[in-house]
Amino acid sequence: QVQLMQSGAEVKKPGASVKVSCKASGFLFTNYGFTWVRQAPGQGLEWLGWISAFNGQTLFGQSLQGRVTMTTDTSTTTAFLELRGLRSDDTAVYYCARDRGGSIPDYWGQGTLVTVSS
Amino acid sequence: DIQMTQSPASLSASVGDRVTITCRASQVINNYLAWFQQRPGKAPKLLIHTASTLQPGVPSRFSGSGFGTDFTLTISSLQPEDVATYYCQKHNSHPFTFGPGTKVDIK
Repeated sequence: QVQLMQSGAEVKKPGASVKVSCKASGFLFTNYGFTWVRQAPGQGLEWLGWISAFNGQTLFGQSLQGRVTMTTDTSTTTAFLELRGLRSDDTAVYYCARDRGGSIPDYWGQGTLVTVSS
Repeated sequence: DIQMTQSPASLSASVGDRVTITCRASQVINNYLAWFQQRPGKAPKLLIHTASTLQPGVPSRFSGSGFGTDFTLTISSLQPEDVATYYCQKHNSHPFTFGPGTKVDIK
């Protein structure tokens, strides 16, 4: 069955970087794209970006432009989100999701809490 | 960029009630609209895409409709397990913005 298993919670200081992983299984990795979404405490969902596992093409939302990198590793069927220059307002649960095609996230990881605090 | 709005922000209804949530796009998005359910403390779950296509495994009491700028999610008979926040998302073009959410609970 389709599974997306994300890395564990992180606590980082302002200005640091964090890399969240999303291990995929149960489907052909390179046939899909991966969407990243975050949710600040008590807030709604914010679309962060998308990456193709086929060719590495990326699309990013405006809020993280210049601070975010999305990559995939086809040998380990894992997608990665790296965020640099962390600020307190980056504190959120970060989700990865498989894109079923047509930019529709159909299966989601369990989420990774990233806390930014001095 | 296209903005997404939802109404109401929250609602309270009785078990068995018919519940309707509205999502509006600031520009035409044809039928490129998805609905997600997020139960407390859980990851979002895809319910409906392309405005009205039910994701496999989703109960038939959920339905979606609309085209252009105005869309609705309907729960025909509210159940206790439907307590959640519901989000719409445009999926026609980047950026794939979410609506602010509608919180549904049981009266």
